[in-house]
Formats: sequence, C-alpha cells, structure tokens
Amino acid sequence: EVKLVDSGGGLAKPGGSLRLSCAASGFIFSDAWMNWVRQAPGKGLEWVGRIKSNTDGETTDYAAPVKGRFIISRDDSKNTLFLQMNGLKSEDSAVYYCTTQSRYHLKYWGLGTLVTVSS
Amino acid sequence: EIVLTQSPGTLSLSPGERATLSCRASQSVSSSYLAWYQHKAGQAPRVLIYDASNRATGVPDRFSGSGSGTDFTLTISRLEPEDSAVYSCQLCGYSPVFTFGPGTKVDIK
Repeated sequence: EVKLVDSGGGLAKPGGSLRLSCAASGFIFSDAWMNWVRQAPGKGLEWVGRIKSNTDGETTDYAAPVKGRFIISRDDSKNTLFLQMNGLKSEDSAVYYCTTQSRYHLKYWGLGTLVTVSS
Repeated sequence: EIVLTQSPGTLSLSPGERATLSCRASQSVSSSYLAWYQHKAGQAPRVLIYDASNRATGVPDRFSGSGSGTDFTLTISRLEPEDSAVYSCQLCGYSPVFTFGPGTKVDIK
C-alpha cells in the first residue's frame, strides 16, 4: 500500500523558514518524480514544485510565486521528500501535500500538513 | 501560460441525477495532459480521470471524462451522497509544470 505522510507544518512568522517532510512507503521512492501541491484557505489547488528522480538528474522545477524562496530535495536512502521554505509570506499559508507523479497526473497524495504564516 | 476555467462554480443536485462539469483551457492542449481530481475536506485529493478519459484504478464507472482541444467534461452519471466534493481539472506539460482549475463544488441535496 502506498503511503505518503506529510509533516513539519506549523506557525511561522513572515520572513521565517519551515522545512516540510514527506515520508514515503509502498513504492520504489528512488524511481519516483515527486511534487508538492498546496491549497490556501478557500482557494483551489496550486502546484508548488517538482523534483525528478536521481536517474533523471534530480532536476527541480518551481512555480513562479515560490521560485528563489523554496527548495525541494530528496533523500532516497530514507524515502523522504523535503520542502525547505524560506522568506515565508502570508500568502504561503496553506495545506501542503506531497504527491507522486505518474506521467502527466498526480497519482498518490499525502494527507497534507498545514502551514500558517502570521506575525 | 495556459489558464483553466471550470464551470459551474457550484452544482447542487439530488442523488441519482447526472452531473456535468466543464473545464476549459485558454488554448488547445493535448488530451494526454488533462486529469480530474476529487477533493473532500480533510482528505487527500484523489485522481479520478487521467489522459482526459481514462478512469484511475478503483474509480467507479459512474465517473467518466471526455473532451479534446480546449473543452473537457467530467460526467458523474448517477450521483451518490459520497460524491459531494470539489472537483478540479489539471493540466501537465506546459508552463508551469502543473496547472489546476479553480474547482467545481458538487453538493448533494
């Protein structure tokens, strides 16, 4: 059974940092392209970024609103995905989901972790 | 950047009725890149349809997807109470990598 467990959310001040984690199991994590998607209160889903597998260069792509502030990384030895969020803004407040990518869609999702940015 | 719009914003129907949800892209896209998701409060989103018309594993056959070019449709043939959720379309393969529509909320009366 595929399982994605998101963690690390919480309250951060504007300009602050948080590091989210996603523990994966039930599939070959090292082969997976992994994504982060967020949903702000009352808003729709918004793609945050992606990291490809090691064999595909572990290249990353980011949405414009987070580029230069967020960093996605992975530790295949621990089957864990990370999202380092720096320079946080109030508009980054959202539930953050890690997801697996299957060709052109997002197949498996975690339950999400809530990030609140407020002074 | 390709923009996805969804209509209606909210759909209120009775069990057993048919729901037709629309997703429109601002320019023509490949059907392979279009997916639909169901999202219930407090739960992880769930992929229903990928490649515009392929049902994901475990999805009931009352859910179907169709369309091409700029216009795509998700149809729920006979609504069940558990279908109450927000449904979002998604595009991949353009810039940004993934784009989501704003969602259609389906309320079951």
